[in-house]
Formats: sequence, structure tokens, C-alpha cells
Amino acid sequence: DAKTTQPNSMESNEEEPVHLPCNHSTISGTDYIHWYRQLPSQGPEYVIHGLTSNVNNRMASLAIAEDRKSSTLILHRATLRDAAVYYCILAGGGADGLTFGKGTHLIIQP
Amino acid sequence: DTAVSQTPKYLVTQMGNDKSIKCEQNLGHDTMYWYKQDSKKFLKIMFSYNNKELIINETVPNRFSPKSPDKAHLNLHINSLELGDSAVYFCASEVRGQETQYFGPGTRLLVL
Repeated sequence: DAKTTQPNSMESNEEEPVHLPCNHSTISGTDYIHWYRQLPSQGPEYVIHGLTSNVNNRMASLAIAEDRKSSTLILHRATLRDAAVYYCILAGGGADGLTFGKGTHLIIQP
Repeated sequence: DTAVSQTPKYLVTQMGNDKSIKCEQNLGHDTMYWYKQDSKKFLKIMFSYNNKELIINETVPNRFSPKSPDKAHLNLHINSLELGDSAVYFCASEVRGQETQYFGPGTRLLVL
């Protein structure tokens, strides 16, 4: 599976936007870019995914670079509840399961 | 209603015992997975089942055996438990090809 690189941790203030970066320079043409998050003591939760175009949903936005070698998850207005580990994952669409890296530990300050 | 549920939530047992963890999804998905999250918080895929057929088995000891009585259930049976099996086990389900997995709340297994 293609690998992703994320910062170990990031800190932000409540009610401010958060931009979580992910590098995936070895992404293949059929890989989707997925974001999941894991709140403390809970199972991972789907956030968003995309292939080439930027994507928006009720939780977040996903900005994908034109060359697809990097992407950014955008939380428009962070709340304390958004404190979690965020995982950027590449998946090709088969039933191979997801390969989780270390993720980014997002800390939200009140 | 809980989409993906697991029982038990906590499981404390002795080395050498045999135990099972149950997983049920009410989403009508055709693919289910088991993941293991160790003490360092790394999440790793263990198994996936698609329409009751095992698709992958990631270098998991054969003491672990997934059993799927029907499309909505994927149970994990573990024989001869070892200390290193202590971890959190997550079940997940997906409509194959739709790229979104739904995870259960996890089962925290502690082997003493």
C-alpha cells in the first residue's frame, strides 16, 4: 500500500479553522484519499474521501493537490469534540482493509 | 440504533483460555473486517469477510479464526490466548466498493 506522511501532532484553538496536511508522493492513479479520525476510547470514524477533486461534507473539506501527491483536511471551525487522532489513508477500492499509519494527534485548546 | 456493535466491551482472561468476540452490523453491508489496535495505538487489519467468504488474512496466527454465521455477523474466536494478544479489537463493515468503513466501539482484551 502507498504510504502517507502526517505530522505527529497539531494544536489549534477552539472555533478556529484547522488544516491537517498529508503527503502521499507515491500515490497511484486508482488510490482514493481517505480521512478517518479516532476520538479517545472510540473506534475510528469516517470523515471524508476523494480521488481528484476537492470534496466537502458536513464534517470537513478535503483539498487535493493537482498532482495528488498531497492533500489537506480542513475543519472549518474546530470544537473541543474534534480533538482526536486523524488518519490519512490511501485505498484502492478493494476489500483489503485500511492501512492506518500513526496519524496526527489534534489538540484543541479552549 | 447502533450500526456496528461488538460484545463484550471488556474481556479479561487468563493465558491459555479460548475466547470469542462477537460483531454485528445492521447496515446491510456485504464486507466486514477485524482490526487490532495494540498498546502503541497502531491499527492493523486482521481479516475481512465478503459474503461469508474470507478474502484476506494478514499474517495473523492461526489461533485466531473469524467465523461468519451470516452476512450481518463476523465473530472472532481466539484459541490459547497469549499475553501479546492484549489489545483493542475493532470490527468494521463496508459496502464493497463504496470506500467507507463503519467501525464498532471496540473490545478491550486483557490477557493475564
